[in-house]
Amino acid sequence: AQSVTQLGSHVSVSEGALVLLRCNYSSSVPPYLFWYVQYPNQGLQLLLKYTTGATLVKGINGFEAEFKKSETSFHLTKPSAHMSDAAEYFCAVSSGYSTLTFGKGTMLLVSP
Amino acid sequence: KAGVTQTPRYLIKTRGQQVTLSCSPISGHRSVSWYQQTPGQGLQFLFEYFSETQRNKGNFPGRFSGRQFSNSRSEMNVSTLELGDSALYLCASSSNLQNTEAFFGQGTRLTVV
Repeated sequence: AQSVTQLGSHVSVSEGALVLLRCNYSSSVPPYLFWYVQYPNQGLQLLLKYTTGATLVKGINGFEAEFKKSETSFHLTKPSAHMSDAAEYFCAVSSGYSTLTFGKGTMLLVSP
Repeated sequence: KAGVTQTPRYLIKTRGQQVTLSCSPISGHRSVSWYQQTPGQGLQFLFEYFSETQRNKGNFPGRFSGRQFSNSRSEMNVSTLELGDSALYLCASSSNLQNTEAFFGQGTRLTVV
C-alpha cells in the first residue's frame, strides 16, 4: 500500500520569499514521486518527478524537490515566489506498476 | 503533439440520469487512468486501462464503469447519478505501465442537480 501526506492545506508566502511545500510518503517498494500543479478549473500539470538517480530534481518554473529516503520525504521548494505561482500543488506517489496516489493538496497563496 | 483531450468540459445532469465522459489520450499512449476530484475527498482513483484491458479499479460503486477502445480512447460511464457524483473528472494518459510520466486533460466538470 502507498500513501501521501501533505502538511498544510494552505501555505501563504510573500512575493520573493522562499516557497516550501511538504510531502511525506509511505511505500512498500522504491517509489516514484511527483509534484503536480493545478490552476483553477484546469487539469494537473507535472512540475517534476523522481524515478531513479539524482535525488535532487529540478522542474519547471524554478521549482525543485529532494528525495530523502531516510525521511520518506519529497518536499517542494522554490527560492523566490512569484504571483503566478499561486495555485494548488499535489504530491503523488506510485510504486512500480501501481497507479498514482495523491496527497490532499496544498493551496499556495502569494501576496504582493 | 496534441495533449489529452476530455469532452465535454462541462455537464449538468439530473439525479437518476446517466452520463458518459470521453478521453482521448496523447497519440501513442496506451495507458489511460481516470480520477474523481472533489473538495472533500481530493483526487481519487477510479480505474486504469491499458490496451483495452482494465488493469486497476478504485473503490467506487458499480455505477461507475469504463472502457477503452482499440485507438486508446477511453470512456467512463456513471449510471443512476447521485448529487455526490458532482465532481471534476480527470483523465490521464501515460506511455508506459509504470506511470513515470502521466499527462492530464483539463477535466470534465459534472454537476448533478
